[in-house]
Amino acid sequence: AQTVTQSQPEMSVQEAETVTLSCTYDTSESDYYLFWYKQPPSRQMILVIRQEAYKQQNATENRFSVNFQKAAKSFSLKISDSQLGDAAMYFCACSTGTASKLTFGTGTRLQVTL
Amino acid sequence: EAGVAQSPRYKIIEKRQSVAFWCNPISGHATLYWYQQILGQGPKLLIQFQNNGVVDDSQLPKDRFSAERLKGVDSTLKIQPAKLEDSAVYLCASSFWGNQKDIQYFGAGTRLSVL
Repeated sequence: AQTVTQSQPEMSVQEAETVTLSCTYDTSESDYYLFWYKQPPSRQMILVIRQEAYKQQNATENRFSVNFQKAAKSFSLKISDSQLGDAAMYFCACSTGTASKLTFGTGTRLQVTL
Repeated sequence: EAGVAQSPRYKIIEKRQSVAFWCNPISGHATLYWYQQILGQGPKLLIQFQNNGVVDDSQLPKDRFSAERLKGVDSTLKIQPAKLEDSAVYLCASSFWGNQKDIQYFGAGTRLSVL
């Protein structure tokens, strides 16, 4: 079984600044995928970014990028040029094995201030 | 393309009553998931369907929860009888293949309050 840990319950960033959200995970599988999902107050989970464990190159999607440290089992999310619309809960998640079940962390609430 | 549809958005019931939630996945998606998200926690998988067959229901409290996806399209999750600790958001998600690299697309969820 895998576990996902997010140690920052809340984070705050000023508009246009950069913020990094932390995530660590643990799995005995060698082939797995890592995800960051955003959950705004509307409750709908939206995929932010996905990382394949066997790829060394860090995934990037516009202002969002990850720092994937496989040996340390760390998967942090960096948001550049933060915008008010980035305010939400952010969940780190992992899927392994032949099934696609996602194991989620407890989330980090991101506040964006003017 | 239309997203994952869920209804109702909110439901308030008293303990020991029954409740049902409905989900219609994205057209063409073979895999459907039901997650329970308790306040302050991440979502936890309750059950996963591949077409109309169950792939994983290991965390479904089968004494009170049931789910079906009879025609391999939409799905219903039922709780009978409800307990106070069932108060949560119930999220439905779907994906195309159901393998580990699949992106899961989520609905807006149903917020259940059990009084």
